[in-house]
Order: sequence, then C-alpha cells, then structure tokens
Amino acid sequence: TQLLEQSPQFLSIQEGENLTVYCNSSSVFSSLQWYRQEPGEGPVLLVTVVTGGEVKKLKRLTFQFGDARKDSSLHITAAQPGDTGLYLCAVTRGAQKLVFGQGTRLTINP
Amino acid sequence: NAGVMQNPRHLVRRRGQEARLRCSPMKGHSHVYWYRQLPEEGLKFMVYLQKENIIDESGMPKERFSAEFPKEGPSILRIQQVVRGDSAAYFCASSPGQGARMNTEAFFGQGTRLTVV
Repeated sequence: TQLLEQSPQFLSIQEGENLTVYCNSSSVFSSLQWYRQEPGEGPVLLVTVVTGGEVKKLKRLTFQFGDARKDSSLHITAAQPGDTGLYLCAVTRGAQKLVFGQGTRLTINP
Repeated sequence: NAGVMQNPRHLVRRRGQEARLRCSPMKGHSHVYWYRQLPEEGLKFMVYLQKENIIDESGMPKERFSAEFPKEGPSILRIQQVVRGDSAAYFCASSPGQGARMNTEAFFGQGTRLTVV
C-alpha cells in the first residue's frame, strides 16, 4: 500500500480553468513537500509545508497542509500550458529519505 | 537542480550487460541519494551515501545492484546483468553535509533513462 495517495492520477483541463489535486495519507507527518517534474527532467521542489492548516502561495499555486497534518492539497488558479507536468507530493522518512506519492499528471490544453 | 550532473542521460543495454550510472553532486554537497522512477509512477528511494560510506541502502534490490561514492569522483550506481524490468529513469539528488535536511535542501539531477532491450 502507498504511504501517500495522490488524486486524481491524471487531469486534463483547458487553459484558464482552476483545479485542485490532493495528497492523502492515514499517517501524520511533520512536514510535506510538493514537487513538479517536467518530461525528461528531475523533480523540482515547489514548497514545504510544516504547520497543520498552513497555507502557502506561489504565484497562482496555493498549497494547504491539513489541520491534522495527514493530507495536503494544491490548487492552481487560471491554469496555463506551462503548468503542465507531473505533480508529486513527498514526505521525509528518517532523517534523509524521501517517500513520494505516485503523482498527478496534469495537462493544460491551450 | 542544474547543479547535479548525471550521465549518461540515456543508456541502452542488452539483457545480461552491465549498466553504470554516474552522478556528480552539486559543489559543496557531500550527501548523495539515488531514486528509481518507473513509467507513470513516483520516485522510489534506493540508497543514501556519503563520501566512502553507504548510510541507508534499504531500497536497493538485494542482488545485481550496488552503489558507491568514492572519496574522489562521482557516485556510481551499478546494475549487473540487467533485465528488462530494470528499465526506468534513475535520479540522483544531493544535499549539503551534516545538519542538512533532505526535504528542504536537496536538489535532483536530470536523470538517466535506462532501456534494457
């Protein structure tokens, strides 16, 4: 079983629409990260959320950590083709090992 | 993540051959991590190394896979007698020395895409 369940697995929407993707678990985490991975590239860290209920904004992206620190969401406003990619959530296990969800593959159509 | 250099970017091997994947960490980074990504999946941890030491290899298959990070030179992930199921993207990440946290200070390379034919 996956430690982190991401949904939806695939999402294809039109430019300008809003969307939300989710990262859920039954475990409690001290922090959670979101990465974006473009085709042929490695993952790039977008944000780390630490406090239950925390909201962080990165331009048109809004990240929220659940109050119980078991889940997180990523909301994109007015999506653009440049937002296309694989969005991964991850948590640190032990001091130095990242565990990733299976990702949401997002396609924004012009 | 441009600072972590992996080569080759693409590698094709026949079944039974050896694959050697190289990773040069960012300047000043002494911790290296290897991850494997199968198609349509997230990344799976394989091994964590510091210079001349394997710290955590809990994600490494028991046979055919090995990793090293020598005092001089890049980290090497070695796969012996490759099989089709080894086909995947292999990513390396690096972070600074002691006290750094993987979740805030690690950077990934562009990966090596291994295809076994």
